[in-house]
Amino acid sequence: GAVVSQHPSWVICKSGTSVKIECRSLDFQATTMFWYRQFPKQSLMLMATSNEGSKATYEQGVEKDKFLINHASLTLSTLTVTSAHPEDSSFYICSARDGPDNEQFFGPGTRLTVL
Amino acid sequence: AQSVTQLDSQVPVFEEAPVELRCNYSSSVSVYLFWYVQYPNQGLQLLLKYLSGSTLVESINGFEAEFNKSQTSFHLRKPSVHISDTAEYFCAVSSPTGAQKLVFGQGTRLTINP
Repeated sequence: GAVVSQHPSWVICKSGTSVKIECRSLDFQATTMFWYRQFPKQSLMLMATSNEGSKATYEQGVEKDKFLINHASLTLSTLTVTSAHPEDSSFYICSARDGPDNEQFFGPGTRLTVL
Repeated sequence: AQSVTQLDSQVPVFEEAPVELRCNYSSSVSVYLFWYVQYPNQGLQLLLKYLSGSTLVESINGFEAEFNKSQTSFHLRKPSVHISDTAEYFCAVSSPTGAQKLVFGQGTRLTINP
């Protein structure tokens, strides 16, 4: 299957700083990318959907000014957690697909720890 | 709104025993149904999916799931498990139209004991 990578795989930062997480589709063009958040022993919760070249669509309850998503190319989307706080500590996972009705391919996730 | 319930958070079984991981969904519209597997330190991988047609779908590694519309279920089964099946399994649902966003269940950790 297609490969989606995330960088970094883990990051530790101080409270108040911003962190950028990259999601790349390595061997296909991702017209749509999704960002999820997973708390320990809980399910994946969709945060936002982004289509290449347009603004992301955020799920209810997700602060768009705190979680900035950019999908500037067909192979790269970034999630920036601005002014991170300890409650933002979580596992962030992206997925990508190359068209409607097509399979979503998931990245391995990024573990964010905010001290 | 759609929702998915996986009734068992953990399922321990012995190697070569059969296993069933339960999944129930709620939706006011027709659905696509999925099972994903997450091996340790890896991303989610699609195990199998139901989009339409035959209600029984199979994966290449011996798992199968049956879509039961009347019971709103999509249980995952395997007649004989292997140590390598140890993983977290997620059931998910999406709408066939629109953004086709996935809604996941809580996950079931399958542990295979020798």
